[in-house]
Amino acid sequence: DGGITQSPKYLFRKEGQNVTLSCEQNLNHDAMYWYRQDPGQGLRLIYYSQIVNDFQKGDIAEGYSVSREKKESFPLTVTSAQKNPTAFYLCASSIVAGEYEQYFGPGTRLTVT
Amino acid sequence: LAKTTQPISMDSYEGQEVNITCSHNNIATNDYITWYQQFPSQGPRFIIQGYKTKVTNEVASLFIPADRKSSTLSLPRVSLSDTAVYYCLVGGDNQGGKLIFGQGTELSVKP
Repeated sequence: DGGITQSPKYLFRKEGQNVTLSCEQNLNHDAMYWYRQDPGQGLRLIYYSQIVNDFQKGDIAEGYSVSREKKESFPLTVTSAQKNPTAFYLCASSIVAGEYEQYFGPGTRLTVT
Repeated sequence: LAKTTQPISMDSYEGQEVNITCSHNNIATNDYITWYQQFPSQGPRFIIQGYKTKVTNEVASLFIPADRKSSTLSLPRVSLSDTAVYYCLVGGDNQGGKLIFGQGTELSVKP
């Protein structure tokens, strides 16, 4: 089955620690995205990547970092510099950048205490 | 990116047709209208996309008037499993795939 996987589903960390969220896709999509969702809110774009070895900041990139060394993988690191890291994180992909039909993973709920 | 306005919440009953309207007065000539559905603690799912007039698929219909300043997502004969948040997005392919999600419309379907 083709799709996007995110792991883990739930993640707990202590304040001050960096944490990396996994995102893998086997859809052969060029573009990948990371969003953050807070309770009762829509999604906000953190970073996106149009092709391998390339990525751009989204609207709320501060305190986050990404890499795109392989087409299938787009991990997100939440650093200690992110002031409010507790949120629901969603990874998505699309065939090419600019497509409004994006495929989303199941999400990772990160709790930092 | 065009701003969208949609009702915060709607209630319906099983078997009814539900119409969710989205306003996008500043839609640009090359913008498409896209709708997503999101269940709690899950990622959004693409439902339908259109440019003008009417689009229909196995899940929903999308009605877009000639001036394109609004659009209506129509869900025929809803069931309890259609309870979700529905997002209307407007934009074109020159925006690098950036999706702007507003608060969406929380649809509650009751038995």
